Amino acid sequence: GAGVSQSPSNKVTEKGKDVELRCDPISGHTALYWYRQSLGQGLEFLIYFQGNSAPDKSGLPSDRFSAERTGGSVSTLTIQRTQQEDSAVYLCASSPSTGPLQPQHFGDGTRLSIL
Amino acid sequence: AQKITQTQPGMFVQEKEAVTLDCTYDTSDQSYGLFWYKQPSSGEMIFLIYQGSYDEQNATEGRYSLNFQKARKSANLVISASQLGDSAMYFCAMRERRGSTLGRLYFGRGTQLTVWP
Repeated sequence: GAGVSQSPSNKVTEKGKDVELRCDPISGHTALYWYRQSLGQGLEFLIYFQGNSAPDKSGLPSDRFSAERTGGSVSTLTIQRTQQEDSAVYLCASSPSTGPLQPQHFGDGTRLSIL
Repeated sequence: AQKITQTQPGMFVQEKEAVTLDCTYDTSDQSYGLFWYKQPSSGEMIFLIYQGSYDEQNATEGRYSLNFQKARKSANLVISASQLGDSAMYFCAMRERRGSTLGRLYFGRGTQLTVWP
């Protein structure tokens, strides 16, 4: 399809394990974003990438969270030593650029459950 | 302070009627964008409509229109002729032009809209 693709759609893991979430943006979109959606916190910005610029990591909640974007396309969000409070839906979005009028188009998300 | 405030946790509307979902925002930027997204129970986040801060006319997109009142810092979503498929969570969001927060969307807490027959 032509939309943002995220995998896996669901992930269940034990506390303390590492997880990797993948995002494949819309072809040609230079900007890529990660958000987290949880019942208590609503939608929270995590990180964004724009072309070859240094990513804005200011939303990452702890140093257990990291993300990379290889070749300006696919991105991976990694959570190390998962905790139960990491349980949430992780949403990826992309846009053609970072202009304020550019809508971000979202994937279907990865539902992460930490046991 | 909250960047985006949606004061209606839930709204109910009868099919074929119009409904307004409220959104107020807080920014000191002159240039910003306002967006509405729909999230059905299936979970995907669907972009509906946007309004630029310098746009003089209210944005419209099919049955969706955005009632933009800049002085009041409000950006209400109006859905005309509601359909059962409009039942979903609706999020208002904003992007600013400031360099340090350029990329992120600020979201409100959402309004759960239920359309009844």
